[in-house]
Amino acid sequence: DIVLTQSPDSLAVSLGERATINCKSSQNVLYSSNNKNYLAWYQQKPGQPPQLLIYWASTRESGVPDRFRGSGSGTDFTLTISSLQAEDVAVYYCHQYHSTPRTFGQGTKVEIK
Amino acid sequence: QIQLQQSGPGLVKPSQTLSLTCGISGDSVSSNNAAWNWIRQSPSRGLEWLGRTYHKARYYSDYSESVKSRITINPDTSKNQFSLQLSSVTPEDTAVYYCARSPVSKAGLLHIWGPFDNWGQGTLVTVSS
Repeated sequence: DIVLTQSPDSLAVSLGERATINCKSSQNVLYSSNNKNYLAWYQQKPGQPPQLLIYWASTRESGVPDRFRGSGSGTDFTLTISSLQAEDVAVYYCHQYHSTPRTFGQGTKVEIK
Repeated sequence: QIQLQQSGPGLVKPSQTLSLTCGISGDSVSSNNAAWNWIRQSPSRGLEWLGRTYHKARYYSDYSESVKSRITINPDTSKNQFSLQLSSVTPEDTAVYYCARSPVSKAGLLHIWGPFDNWGQGTLVTVSS
């Protein structure tokens, strides 16, 4: 199974400042046949299901604000929130869909400092 | 707009079978362009993918090894829904269960699987006597 390890487990950022979350995969999730990284990011708020933010490592889902940016390739990925807003308080998960079983990182809790 | 609506009991006794249903609107369980998944979430196990069903000329199902001996995911074309059955449950199966859709596209002979782009609302299932 592919293990995804996120860091940090939690972070507190001031409003308007940058938040950076890392995700390291135990295996390469870049599929050579189509040169795509099978890595997604989700945001989850209390009492709600996860919501897809980013897929193919860097493509924003429709309607996601452009302050959310995904980057990385292979085994190392980053989600950056360029200017944290109050509504961004949530837990963020990375997810690989390269192989079954599909797996998720353990989550990173983002709070306001 | 695709929507997934979950239904089923929130309390199951140990050793019994957990049964949930996910109704689909805006898409079809028979679509060749989607897979239909069950995922659960608990404090101890985090987000855990349980399995999926999808249609490509016929129906297929894939399951996580962690539950493979106990799980069945079935499509119901007459009601455009799919179901989860998890047998011999224990308190460790207590979790919020989600259904979710993942898109599938094709580029030549290559099937390109996507992430979970639509989720049900979640059902808290407690295993307790």
